[in-house]
Amino acid sequence: GEDVEQSLFLSVREGDSSVINCTYTDSSSTYLYWYKQEPGAGLQLLTYIFSNMDMKQDQRLTVLLNKKDKHLSLRIADTQTGDSAIYFCAESMERDDKIIFGKGTRLHILP
Amino acid sequence: GAVVSQHPSWVICKSGTSVKIECRSLDFQATTMFWYRQFPKQSLMLMATSNEGSKATYEQGVEKDKFLINHASLTLSTLTVTSAHPEDSSFYICSARPGTALPGANVLTFGAGSRLTVL
Repeated sequence: GEDVEQSLFLSVREGDSSVINCTYTDSSSTYLYWYKQEPGAGLQLLTYIFSNMDMKQDQRLTVLLNKKDKHLSLRIADTQTGDSAIYFCAESMERDDKIIFGKGTRLHILP
Repeated sequence: GAVVSQHPSWVICKSGTSVKIECRSLDFQATTMFWYRQFPKQSLMLMATSNEGSKATYEQGVEKDKFLINHASLTLSTLTVTSAHPEDSSFYICSARPGTALPGANVLTFGAGSRLTVL
């Protein structure tokens, strides 16, 4: 079945790199996404990666995909206080319109 | 960029009343919109897929008579929580897929969410 798992909490010092990990079960995933949710707000798409890619970099964000292990990670370089939020990993398949979300990882920034 | 507006952002109602939440795509047409429900510290649960001009497709376990969805135009979908009860209190989020998204990429633009509290 479809399932997306991620750790619920991550604490990082300001200026360090944050690495948020995600695993998924459906090998037919076409695209994998990272969304950011700030308190009381909707979700904001940060980045997404096509399943035939290994890596995608966008400014401070680096996404790594290990399709063999069905493992996705999001690295945020030079973590800032404004990065404090919940980060959702998600996948979609070509066969339907659905996006399956993980439970979200709450990123806490230490001073 | 694509913007999705949700209204109201928060609502408090008495048990037994009905509440309507609107989801509008402001600068693009959306033939498909999605309604999610989010519980505290939980992921987003897809409730239904709203298709313009046709009936919504509900996910298993979601009562279609309880959560009425209408997608009357290419820019507006509404979710009505009928005869609301305290257990319906939640954060409801809508999303839409801009038509300019890459083929196959289900890139969604989300509304800011509507927090419903039923007393």
